[in-house]
Amino acid sequence: QVQLVESGGGVVQPGRSLRLSCTASGFTFSYYALHWVRQAPGKGLEWVAVISYDGTIKYNEDSVRGRFTISRDNSKNTLSLQLNSLRAEDTAIYYCTRGGRLLNSAFEMWGQGTMVTVSS
Amino acid sequence: AIRMTQSPSSFSASTGDRVTITCRASQSISSYLAWFQQKPGKAPKLLIYAASTLQTGVPSRFSGSGSGTDFTLTISCLQFEDFATYYCQQYYSYLYTFGQGTKLEIK
Repeated sequence: QVQLVESGGGVVQPGRSLRLSCTASGFTFSYYALHWVRQAPGKGLEWVAVISYDGTIKYNEDSVRGRFTISRDNSKNTLSLQLNSLRAEDTAIYYCTRGGRLLNSAFEMWGQGTMVTVSS
Repeated sequence: AIRMTQSPSSFSASTGDRVTITCRASQSISSYLAWFQQKPGKAPKLLIYAASTLQTGVPSRFSGSGSGTDFTLTISCLQFEDFATYYCQQYYSYLYTFGQGTKLEIK
């Protein structure tokens, strides 16, 4: 079955860290660029980070640069997002999404999301 | 970053209606434009990419058009299952920005 499954969300205090994971199945993981997209409660979609198919190119959205790090392990079909120095405004559902081979490809496939709540 | 502006932000319509949602980019994005549908509690679903190409499995009542800075999503004959929130997104620039969303509600 072709799918992306996120995990690792939870409740965390401001300033603390969390690591999200996304496990893929049913397709050639190492072929595709991957993204994280988030959605705050009741709000719209916000792109967070992208990593190229081979992990050599990474970009982050401005508000998370220096705090969030995207990585991938093609041998384990796993995408990760390390969230450091968390803020209340980082509270959101975090989705893992699959792009295409190139970075400028549409987001074809989405996981079900994992909820991150930043609160004291 | 490229700003994506959708209109309207919300809209009431009836089943069988023809509906058009517009999306404007703050600079040219060629045809690097996608449309997504999102229902409450669910992940977004890709409907259209490259401005006008229908994703596999999406009903033909959905269509997209435009290039450069102005784009439209049209639903030719609304069905009950189409009431949802719709987002446009540019993937021309690596700061992949979304529109603010258009919530389509039943009249």
